[in-house]
Amino acid sequence: KQEVTQIPAALSVPEGENLVLNCSFTDSAIYNLQWFRQDPGKGLTSLLLIQSSQREQTSGRLNASLDKSSGRSTLYIAASQPGDSATYLCAVPDNFNKFYFGSGTKLNVKP
Amino acid sequence: GAGVSQSPRYKVAKRGQDVALRCDPISGHVSLFWYQQALGQGPEFLTYFQNEAQLDKSGLPSDRFFAERPEGSVSTLKIQRTQQEDSAVYLCASSLANLEQFFGPGTRLTVL
Repeated sequence: KQEVTQIPAALSVPEGENLVLNCSFTDSAIYNLQWFRQDPGKGLTSLLLIQSSQREQTSGRLNASLDKSSGRSTLYIAASQPGDSATYLCAVPDNFNKFYFGSGTKLNVKP
Repeated sequence: GAGVSQSPRYKVAKRGQDVALRCDPISGHVSLFWYQQALGQGPEFLTYFQNEAQLDKSGLPSDRFFAERPEGSVSTLKIQRTQQEDSAVYLCASSLANLEQFFGPGTRLTVL
């Protein structure tokens, strides 16, 4: 069974900092990896999807990298803003597209 | 519709009551998933449908949990004789085949 781990569990930074969220997975035979954002009391919003053949994917101030062989992905957030405060989840699907999620990193960006 | 919708958004049940949670996927999405998210944790898989066929129900915690999707679109997750440990957010997601999944806002179930 795929195990997904996210470090750190929580992070508090001042506005403007660049930061890195980490995700690791135990089974490297993945099809893709997806990063989500979850605001309190809300559902999941997809941020980035990286196919297994890709090394990274970028959207605005977000950049996600994928190293399949080592079972790792990182989400880089540039110039963080208070509006970035949320929980960030990474998820890896099996061959039926059933997701295995990490427990998330709860980010707080202080003004 | 524009996205996945779920109803009700919040449900409070007394222990022992039955509840039914509804998911309306994006039109045309053949795959539908249910996940359970406990407080402070990531979502955990419950069950998966492809059209009306339930292909995987390995994540359902007990036989009190039952899901259906009779016409291959709307799905209902039913929990019988609710217990306090059933309190969680129940998320529904849909996708086209093995492509990107889109999640609904979830139903927050509180069992007293």
